[in-house]
Amino acid sequence: AQSVTQLGSHVSVSEGALVLLRCNYSSSVPPYLFWYVQYPNQGLQLLLKYTSAATLVKGINGFEAEFKKSETSFHLTKPSAHMSDAAEYFCAVSDGDDYKLSFGAGTTVTVRA
Amino acid sequence: SAVISQKPSRDICQRGTSLTIQCQVDSQVTMMFWYRQQPGQSLTLIATANQGSEATYESGFVIDKFPISRPNLTFSTLTVSNMSPEDSSIYLCSVAGGLAGLSSTDTQYFGPGTRLTVL
Repeated sequence: AQSVTQLGSHVSVSEGALVLLRCNYSSSVPPYLFWYVQYPNQGLQLLLKYTSAATLVKGINGFEAEFKKSETSFHLTKPSAHMSDAAEYFCAVSDGDDYKLSFGAGTTVTVRA
Repeated sequence: SAVISQKPSRDICQRGTSLTIQCQVDSQVTMMFWYRQQPGQSLTLIATANQGSEATYESGFVIDKFPISRPNLTFSTLTVSNMSPEDSSIYLCSVAGGLAGLSSTDTQYFGPGTRLTVL
């Protein structure tokens, strides 16, 4: 069975600063890993995914994530935060067999002007 | 990518009643799922909606409480039965794989959600 741990339920950054959201996973098989974003009162939007190709994955809105097998991590970064990045971010893992997703608890990002 | 819609977008219901939520996709998809997101919480998978057969429920969720239908490859419904205030949540459908728009089954795309409040 797979699981996800997101470190930090809330992250506050200044506009223009680095955004770093941490995600660690456990999986008995090579995982598929995802980051989703949820803006207030909306559904989930896929930011990026890792499915055993390149370990550095680029997504939408300037976000990227690096898969590190040795650290079982898939941290999400963005070099320069924008006010529009304020949202809830979820890391999720799938073992690829039945495509069921296990979600982390989520990290709320606030951006200070 | 495919357009996924849900109806209703929100509703306020009385305890003891039932609500049926619809999920419609504008192209045929292989897989459809239903999730619950309780206030301030993450997402929990309720069930996989199987086309033409009974849904596959996760531990802690039962068909009598959450009956699901999937009559074709573009549509599914979730009913929340005999509701109580504890059922107040956002219910989201997701889809994966398909003949058009969604190339692989390894990635799920989510609808906008239905925000349910039970009084």
